Amino acid sequence: AQSVTQLGSHVSVSEGALVLLRCNYSSSVPPYLFWYVQYPNQGLQLLLKYTSAATLVKGINGFEAEFKKSETSFHLTKPSAHMSDAAEYFCAVSESPNTGNQFYFGTGTSLTVIP
Amino acid sequence: EPEVTQTPSHQVTQMGQEVILRCVPISNHLYFYWYRQILGQKVEFLVSFYNNEISEKSEIFDDQFSVERPDGSNFTLKIRSTKLEDSAMYFCASTRTSGELFFGEGSRLTVL
Repeated sequence: AQSVTQLGSHVSVSEGALVLLRCNYSSSVPPYLFWYVQYPNQGLQLLLKYTSAATLVKGINGFEAEFKKSETSFHLTKPSAHMSDAAEYFCAVSESPNTGNQFYFGTGTSLTVIP
Repeated sequence: EPEVTQTPSHQVTQMGQEVILRCVPISNHLYFYWYRQILGQKVEFLVSFYNNEISEKSEIFDDQFSVERPDGSNFTLKIRSTKLEDSAMYFCASTRTSGELFFGEGSRLTVL
């Protein structure tokens, strides 16, 4: 069985400050891990994905995430928050996305950026 | 850039009515999905579809739900007799084999 846990349903940071959104996963097989972003009234957009290559993954808009097997974590970071980063962020895990297996999503973290 | 499109963007219906949500996946994609998101809750998997049949479904996807790919381009989700608890945002997604799900903007269903 697979699942993800996102710690902190709401995170607030000042503009220019570090963004850290936490995700821990549970998987019985080597996982494929994803971060999606959802802006208001829009669908989910892929930020980045880990598919067993480099453990530090760089995504769009300056975001990156590091896969740490020993900690079963895949935290999302950005060195300097921008107002446009305010959105809902979802971590997801899949057993084998290339064969159509379902994605399991976390409950999401709402990021607020304070000017 | 190709995208997944969903219609309607918002539908209001009376409890017990049938609802059909429509999706046009990206044209060369092979796997199709429906997810839903009840307000304030996580994105939940409903069903996946491949090669014209359901490949996986969740406990949520009971006999009231059905999916169809009637014409090779549309992918529909039907709810036969809607309940209040079916009120949610329904997302269609598709993928080829890249390991990335492409989502539509969602259809908001409100059941009164």
